[in-house]
Amino acid sequence: EIVLTQSPGTLSLSPGERATLSCRASQRVSSSYLAWFQQKPGQAPRLLIYGVSSRATGIPDRFSGSGSGTDFTLTISRLEPEDFAVYYCQQYGSSPDTFGQGTKVEIK
Amino acid sequence: EVQLVQSGAEVKKPGESLKISCKGSGYSFTSHWIAWVRQMPGKGLEWMGIIYPGDSDTRYSPSFQGQVTISADKSITTAYLQWSSLKASDTAMYYCATYGSGTYSGLDYWGQGTLVTVSS
Repeated sequence: EIVLTQSPGTLSLSPGERATLSCRASQRVSSSYLAWFQQKPGQAPRLLIYGVSSRATGIPDRFSGSGSGTDFTLTISRLEPEDFAVYYCQQYGSSPDTFGQGTKVEIK
Repeated sequence: EVQLVQSGAEVKKPGESLKISCKGSGYSFTSHWIAWVRQMPGKGLEWMGIIYPGDSDTRYSPSFQGQVTISADKSITTAYLQWSSLKASDTAMYYCATYGSGTYSGLDYWGQGTLVTVSS
């Protein structure tokens, strides 16, 4: 199975700053089957990005995804107070689907 | 409006059986894969397996194969996750989620989660 490794584990930033989250796969991710999720305490995950770079419905354009092959990035251009949360990447092109271990974005 | 509504929290003893549910509405239930995802306390997301309610095609992660059973009843648009003999290590939040229909669509709708606590 494909192992996804996210870095850093925790990102300490201030509102208004740019956040760059990394997701590295142990093997090439099939086609563009890479997604990003946001999860806040006590809530279900929310799809942010699918197909590497397509924003899900209702997701603001400060969120963007990029990458190919084994290296992928989620960028939040300017952090809003509601963006402080845990972020997961997921590959769904090779069975079994797998998630990364998560990156926590916390207020500095 | 697409909704996935999961059954309520459960408290069980080790060795007991359990079946939790996920009812879909507002979309074509038989045409979208449904996934089950585990989240142990304070931990990350783990993909357990998926089912295609249209023909009950089911696939499991090797980590969960033989440990759980995923099923669906399309007549009542409900998917299930069941255990025959629970362990304390099954204590977790369990989410169902559905894959969208477009190319590269991800897990775009999620249930609210079912908390399963296994304790003697």
